Amino acid sequence: DAKTTQPTSMDCAEGRAANLPCNHSTISGNEYVYWYRQIHSQGPQYIIHGLKNNETNEMASLIITEDRKSSTLILPHATLRDTAVYYCIVRVASFNDYKLSFGAGTTVTVRA
Amino acid sequence: SQTIHQWPATLVQPVGSPLSLECTVEGTSNPNLYWYRQAAGRGLQLLFYSVGIGQISSEVPQNLSASRPQDRQFILSSKKLLLSDSGFYLCAWDNGNTIYFGEGSWLTVV
Repeated sequence: DAKTTQPTSMDCAEGRAANLPCNHSTISGNEYVYWYRQIHSQGPQYIIHGLKNNETNEMASLIITEDRKSSTLILPHATLRDTAVYYCIVRVASFNDYKLSFGAGTTVTVRA
Repeated sequence: SQTIHQWPATLVQPVGSPLSLECTVEGTSNPNLYWYRQAAGRGLQLLFYSVGIGQISSEVPQNLSASRPQDRQFILSSKKLLLSDSGFYLCAWDNGNTIYFGEGSWLTVV
């Protein structure tokens, strides 16, 4: 069973920031928050992950609340190519936690 | 940098025919390797994982099998396909921190 809850869908205007929320109230102390996205007919693409500090890379920023029960993925300047299903998952960052549990994710549609 | 490739990207196979999907990883050594299946509109199902050459663990009993003849090669096979084997198959590798997926292979059994 998925350990996270996400909104089913959201729209975003091209060029604007997209803020994708995720709730993970039962997260364990050694579990990281990972974000992937999947464009139709392609494999899931890794975006970013974090434990408790905010993280930023060339694709996105990840903001994790202090209690770690929720997080937000930020796409700073959404483009049409960012239209995809975004998955938030929690897992231990080790070889032993490989049974990924992807929920339904959030279908993000970026509109011109 | 590390890359993962799987092929073929799409295939249509008759019921009862054999299957071979191949996956290779470049730029790393001794990765964990995985085969997942994704049914339409649903999540990922782990089929097999491997921690080393010749070491295969099966998560779901079925008519599929997996082999790892080389460190960075992972093969998904079947001797006789069933209609229920249709789906989107994903190979993935793990660097101990993050799992990365291949492009996927669409299999349609007719």
